[in-house]
Amino acid sequence: GENVEQHPSTLSVQEGDSAVIKCTYSDSASNYFPWYKQELGKRPQLIIDIRSNVGEKKDQRIAVTLNKTAKHFSLHITETQPEDSAVYFCAASVTFGNEKLTFGTGTRLTIIP
Amino acid sequence: DSGVTQTPKHLITATGQRVTLRCSPRSGDLSVYWYQQSLDQGLQFLIQYYNGEERAKGNILERFSAQQFPDLHSELNLSSLELGDSALYFCASSSNAGYGTEAFFGQGTRLTVV
Repeated sequence: GENVEQHPSTLSVQEGDSAVIKCTYSDSASNYFPWYKQELGKRPQLIIDIRSNVGEKKDQRIAVTLNKTAKHFSLHITETQPEDSAVYFCAASVTFGNEKLTFGTGTRLTIIP
Repeated sequence: DSGVTQTPKHLITATGQRVTLRCSPRSGDLSVYWYQQSLDQGLQFLIQYYNGEERAKGNILERFSAQQFPDLHSELNLSSLELGDSALYFCASSSNAGYGTEAFFGQGTRLTVV
């Protein structure tokens, strides 16, 4: 089955700096890669996703890049703000009939004011 | 509000007992997923149902079982509970349109086994 590895497990950055979280996946058939943000005590919520036919996607301060050859995708957050502090999970899934999301182990991001 | 409803929000029970967690997916979503999140841990996939049938199984213990009913709501049954089963249990639903669709999470059921 799919295995998703996520690094780093914790990340602290100064407010205004950029943060990068990296994930690798094992199943070359995976073609959907969402990122979820989970604030303390709350449910995970989708912040951005990318499909295998796209190499990069951007939404304001958040961007995701995908390298299918290397089976690697990353989340980039620019101009970080205190409200970006949360746990971020990457995930991968094989679609067309089985959309089970396999999550990475999470990255606890702390923005230092 | 994600549109996914989980009940109860909190549950405290003793070891050896059995509990049932309930999930109502978003209107129109055919897929329901169950995840377990232990303290400061990631999201462990338990099981997926699609339109009433089991679609995928993860690291779900034999003491745990689930089903999806004709009205698409789902129940996760946990039996012979152990202290280590204490966790946040999330249900998520998606439309399963076939090319990667967002999974919407419920607010979770926090289970405490004492």
